[in-house]
Amino acid sequence: AQTVTQSQPEMSVQEAETVTLSCTYDTSESDYYLFWYKQPPSRQMILVIRQEAYKQQNATENRFSVNFQKAAKSFSLKISDSQLGDAAMYFCAYRLGAQKLVFGQGTRLTINP
Amino acid sequence: DAGITQSPRHKVTETGTPVTLRCHQTENHRYMYWYRQDPGHGLRLIHYSYGVKDTDKGEVSDGYSVSRSKTEDFLLTLESATSSQTSVYFCAISESWVGRGYGYTFGSGTRLTVV
Repeated sequence: AQTVTQSQPEMSVQEAETVTLSCTYDTSESDYYLFWYKQPPSRQMILVIRQEAYKQQNATENRFSVNFQKAAKSFSLKISDSQLGDAAMYFCAYRLGAQKLVFGQGTRLTINP
Repeated sequence: DAGITQSPRHKVTETGTPVTLRCHQTENHRYMYWYRQDPGHGLRLIHYSYGVKDTDKGEVSDGYSVSRSKTEDFLLTLESATSSQTSVYFCAISESWVGRGYGYTFGSGTRLTVV
């Protein structure tokens, strides 16, 4: 079964600095999608960024970018110029088969002012 | 605002009682999902639906059942609630065509406490 692993239960960063959250996954498929979701204290799940496996170019959304290493099955999220509003749980997810998302365990990100 | 609502938002129930959580969407999406979120486990799939009356089990389906009699509604029932089912439950919807690569749209979650 496909699995997604986030090895950092908690991370912290100083405001305005850059932080990278790690994610690895296991799959035998070649065409799939990867996602990062943000969950602030409000509990709402918010899509941060999406990467198609067939695209070599790393996805970027404003201050958020990914480092997608397909051969290594690695999908890290980089947050630049961290802001207090970035504090949240972050989940890495892989899209499997009939559009079922498989999630990692999550990383709690704290922003220090 | 995303066209998906869950009810109730919070619920406390007693062990052994049946509980039904409701998910309602106005997006006419084919796929609907129920996940539970627990610390250290992320979100785990309970059941999902790929159309009216078409449902299938996820990885943690024991003790849960679902029904989908209309496109817009997906119900999750805990047949006899246990303390291990204390969790936050999320409903999600997804567009139907494979390959679009869209993620899910999530409801705001239901915090269920079984005492």
